[in-house]
Amino acid sequence: DGGITQSPKYLFRKEGQNVTLSCEQNLNHDAMYWYRQDPGQGLRLIYYSQIVNDFQKGDIAEGYSVSREKKESFPLTVTSAQKNPTAFYLCASSMRLQETQYFGPGTRLLVL
Amino acid sequence: GESVGLHLPTLSVQEGDNSIINCAYSNSASDYFIWYKQESGKGPQFIIDIRSNMDKRQGQRVTVLLNKTVKHLSLQIAATQPGDSAVYFCAENWADSSYKLIFGSGTRLLVRP
Repeated sequence: DGGITQSPKYLFRKEGQNVTLSCEQNLNHDAMYWYRQDPGQGLRLIYYSQIVNDFQKGDIAEGYSVSREKKESFPLTVTSAQKNPTAFYLCASSMRLQETQYFGPGTRLLVL
Repeated sequence: GESVGLHLPTLSVQEGDNSIINCAYSNSASDYFIWYKQESGKGPQFIIDIRSNMDKRQGQRVTVLLNKTVKHLSLQIAATQPGDSAVYFCAENWADSSYKLIFGSGTRLLVRP
């Protein structure tokens, strides 16, 4: 069953803690993306990766970091520098940049 | 500036009627447009796309219309069903950018039984 998976579904972060959100795809897509969605709003791009070992900042990269060591995986770390991390985080992938993006089920991050 | 906006934040329709969701875009250089459906607590689901060299594209019960003259995009859903209740986003891809997919804030579609 091909697709994009994200884990965990819910994640709780304590003050000053770094947390990592997982994103895996078995669609053989080159490009992967991380978006943040706040209630009642559209999606804002955090980071994107065109290919393995390459990634670029999106519109709201401050307080976040990523890695792309494998084609299938694009984990996102929410660092303690991100002062307002509570949001719904969505991972997406596409065959190449500028092609249709397909989304995972999302991870909801809450701050304790 | 860059913006993809929607005319109606909430649209309520009777089950069985047709729905029309509208979207305005600002970048005349955009060459690719996508409609997504997002149910509560889930990731957006691809519905249909259209490139700027077309003005109409049909899928199963859905049709997307593109009017480049007025920079307007619409999604038509035929015979709307309760399962169509969701938030619908349009997104545009800028031809002059390597990655940028700009999303609108969404329209909520409510289907009355």
